[in-house]
Amino acid sequence: EVRLVESGGGLVKPGGSLRLSCAASGLTFTNAWMSWVRQAPGKGLEWVGRIKSKTEGGTTDYAAPAKGRFTISRDDSKNTLYLQMNSLKTEDTAVYYCTTDYIVSGYFDLWGRGTLVTVSS
Amino acid sequence: EIVLTQSPATLSLSPGERATLSCRASQSVSSYLAWYQQKPGQAPRLLIYDASKRATGIPARFSGSGSGTDFTLTISSLEPEDFAVYYCQQRRNWPLTFGGGTKVEIK
Repeated sequence: EVRLVESGGGLVKPGGSLRLSCAASGLTFTNAWMSWVRQAPGKGLEWVGRIKSKTEGGTTDYAAPAKGRFTISRDDSKNTLYLQMNSLKTEDTAVYYCTTDYIVSGYFDLWGRGTLVTVSS
Repeated sequence: EIVLTQSPATLSLSPGERATLSCRASQSVSSYLAWYQQKPGQAPRLLIYDASKRATGIPARFSGSGSGTDFTLTISSLEPEDFAVYYCQQRRNWPLTFGGGTKVEIK
């Protein structure tokens, strides 16, 4: 079965840090471009950033709210994607989804169930 | 950044009725537009990509049309399981962006 499973969410104080993980199974992770998408409570979807496959450079791109504070990385030996979040703000409170274009190139057709990050004092 | 504006914000319809959802882009995205369905507590599901192609397993009652800046998602006859929130998303330019969503609710 093809799966993405996020973990690492929780409650953190403003200014704190958190690292999310996304474990992939059933797909060729090394070839996948992986993204993080978040959803604040009761709000819409917001793309956070993505990392290319290492064979295509392994480079990252971020949305403006994430630039300079968030870092996406991957460990292909563990089939795992990471999101390191620093200097967290209350507005970063959201469910964070890991996603990729598994079958349909360029679109998100495989999603995890998400992990909730709450930034509050 | 390309801004996607969805309308209406809420659509109140009865099962069996036709739903027409709109997504307008602030600049041309060619046909690089997708539609997703999201139900409460679930991750989004890809319905339509490249403006008009149905993803695997998506029923034929879902159809997409449009190009450039104006796009439409049509659900020809609403089934009970179709009541959900729908988002459009463009991949023409980075950063990728989503519309604000249209909630299709039971009238």
